[in-house]
Amino acid sequence: EVQLVESGGGLVQPGGSLRLSCSASEFTFSSYAMHWVRQAPGKGLEYVSAISGNGVSTYYADSVKGRFTISRDNSKNMLYLQMSSLRAEDTAVYYCVKSRGFYDYWGQGTLVTVSS
Amino acid sequence: DIVMTQSPDSLAVSLGERATINCKSSQSVLYSSNNKNYLAWYQQKPGQPPKLLIYWASTRESGVPDRFGGSGSGTDFTLTISSLQAEDVAVYYCQQYYTTPFTFGPGTKVDIK
Repeated sequence: EVQLVESGGGLVQPGGSLRLSCSASEFTFSSYAMHWVRQAPGKGLEYVSAISGNGVSTYYADSVKGRFTISRDNSKNMLYLQMSSLRAEDTAVYYCVKSRGFYDYWGQGTLVTVSS
Repeated sequence: DIVMTQSPDSLAVSLGERATINCKSSQSVLYSSNNKNYLAWYQQKPGQPPKLLIYWASTRESGVPDRFGGSGSGTDFTLTISSLQAEDVAVYYCQQYYTTPFTFGPGTKVDIK
C-alpha cells in the first residue's frame, strides 16, 4: 500500500523558517509528480507547490512564490518543502500528495503554526 | 487561475435519499485532444486527509462504493450520492487538474437530516 508520511511541522515565529519532509514508499517514486497541498484550520484545500518526477520542473502558488522551495531526492524517496519568511496566514496542515494529475494518495499531514 | 465554485455550501439529506453537489469551473477543463475532463472529486471526513472519489469527472476510484457517481463536461459538473449512508457525512471538494495551479472548490458539507 502506498504510504506518504510527513514530518517537520511545528510552531515557528513570523519571519521564521521550517523544512517539511515527506517519506514515500510502495510505489516508484521517481515516476510521479509530487505536490504539497495545505489546509488552514477550518478552511478548504489550497494547492501550494508541485515538482515533476525528475525534479526538473517546479510550480508554486502565487501566495508562496519566492518564499517556499520544493525539492525531492529520488534516491531516498523523499519530498521536501523549505519554507521561509513565514507568515501567520501560512498556518495550516500541509499534505504531501502523489499526483496523477488528480491526487490518488495523501499523507496524514503535518501542522505548521506561525505565531509569536 | 481557474476558479472553482460549488453549490450548495451545505446540505442535509435523509438516510437513503439522494444528495447532489454541483461544481462549476471558470473555464472549460475539457481537453479536446483526448476528450477528457480534468476534474476530480474528494471526500474529507473530520480529522482525516481528503480521499479521492472520482477522476476524469466520472471514473470512480477503486474501492469507492458505486452509490457515488460523477457527471458533467466542460465547465459544469455534478457529484451524486444515490443513497446517502451515515458514513458519507463529510465535506466534498471538486478540483480541476487541467492547468496549474490545480484549484479546488470551497467544499460542500453533507449531513444527515
